[in-house]
Amino acid sequence: DAKTTQPTSMDCAEGRAANLPCNHSTISGNEYVYWYRQIHSQGPQYIIHGLKNNETNEMASLIITEDRKSSTLILPHATLRDTAVYYCILRFEAGNNRKLIWGLGTSLAVNP
Amino acid sequence: KAGVTQTPRYLIKTRGQQVTLSCSPISGHRSVSWYQQTPGQGLQFLFEYFSETQRNKGNFPGRFSGRQFSNSRSEMNVSTLELGDSALYLCASSTSSSYNSPLHFGNGTRLTVT
Repeated sequence: DAKTTQPTSMDCAEGRAANLPCNHSTISGNEYVYWYRQIHSQGPQYIIHGLKNNETNEMASLIITEDRKSSTLILPHATLRDTAVYYCILRFEAGNNRKLIWGLGTSLAVNP
Repeated sequence: KAGVTQTPRYLIKTRGQQVTLSCSPISGHRSVSWYQQTPGQGLQFLFEYFSETQRNKGNFPGRFSGRQFSNSRSEMNVSTLELGDSALYLCASSTSSSYNSPLHFGNGTRLTVT
């Protein structure tokens, strides 16, 4: 099953852009890249997803490399409330959430 | 639109007891998945339901079971509780089983087994 690799932790200054990398070198053609975040004691919150094109919504931007082996989640102006664990996962088989592999994610600390 | 609702929010049980957790998906969502999360571990998949049918099951013992009702609400049951069952249990819903359909999570039920 396809797997992602993320740094364990990152720091970012409030008001600056936070760039969270994710490596998925074994990704296959029909796999979507999803990003979620989890704030302590809450459920994961959906952020954004994409297949091959870059995507942007009101929360973040997702940049996927041309070979699709890595991606970057960008929070353009990080705030203290963006402090959370960020998960990058691959989703590829319809009707089979069993195959979603959730690693330990990146713990992002946004500092004042 | 209301989000995914899980009840109860917190639960304390003793070893050997059983417990039932409830999940109300977002209105219109027919797919519901359950996950277990423990400190230092990623989300571990329990099972997935779509239109009252269990589509997939994770690698958990038979003490863990679930069901989905015709209104898409779902319950999971854990019998003969063990200390290791202490965890945050999360429910997620989506509009369909398509991999282009984001999962939306509730805030979970935190189960403590003493």
